[in-house]
Amino acid sequence: GAVVSQHPSWVICKSGTSVKIECRSLDFQATTMFWYRQFPKQSLMLMATSNEGSKATYEQGVEKDKFLINHASLTLSTLTVTSAHPEDSSFYICSAKLPGQGYNSPLHFGNGTRLTVT
Amino acid sequence: GDSVTQMEGPVTLSEEAFLTINCTYTATGYPSLFWYVQYPGEGLQLLLKATKADDKGSNKGFEATYRKETTSFHLEKGSVQVSDSAVYFCALSETGANSKLTFGKGITLSVRP
Repeated sequence: GAVVSQHPSWVICKSGTSVKIECRSLDFQATTMFWYRQFPKQSLMLMATSNEGSKATYEQGVEKDKFLINHASLTLSTLTVTSAHPEDSSFYICSAKLPGQGYNSPLHFGNGTRLTVT
Repeated sequence: GDSVTQMEGPVTLSEEAFLTINCTYTATGYPSLFWYVQYPGEGLQLLLKATKADDKGSNKGFEATYRKETTSFHLEKGSVQVSDSAVYFCALSETGANSKLTFGKGITLSVRP
C-alpha cells in the first residue's frame, strides 16, 4: 500500500517551454504532498508543500511563479515548470504522507522525474 | 534551523563487510529520525526510523540508534550484500502540522562481490 506514482519519469524540453509533472497517490488520499528537487550529489531540497484545495506553501528562495503547484484533488498534485531554462534541469521528486499520520510517520515517494532543458 | 550532516562518500565495501554510515543532526525540538534508501532507478523508500531518544530502528539487517546526547543516528549493518548497493539518506522531521523532512546529502554505497 501507500503507492505514489509520478509521471513522466523523464522529460526533455526546449528552453522557454513549460513542463507539467504529475504526482498521484494510487491507493490513498493525500491531503498534503511535498515536492523536492535533487541536485547531483546533493541532498533533496524541499521546494513546496502542496495542500489539497488551497495554495501551496513555498520554501524560501523558490519562485512560486516559475514552479506552479496545483493540488486539485485528494490524489493528484501537479508541478509545472514554466518557461524552463537549462538551470531548471534537475530531478524532481514528489512525496505524500498517509492521512492522519503525524510528524513521526514516513513519507512515501514517487520515483522522480528527470527534467532536462536544452 | 534544522540540519542533517552525513559523512562524505562514496563508500565501497566488499560483500560481508561491516557498514557504518555516520549521521548527526541539529534540531530545535525533539525530532523523529529516519533513514531512507534509494536503489538504482527507484524512488526513495523508508529503511528505518526512531521517534525518541534511545530508540533503535531496524530493518533488513540495518540498525540505527537515536542518540540524543551525541545528536547522532548512525546506520550500521553487520554484513552487507551486493543488493545493499544504493544511496542512503539520513533525515529528520520536527514536530508540527506539516512535518517537513530535512535530508542529509546522501551517501552512495557500492558493495562488490
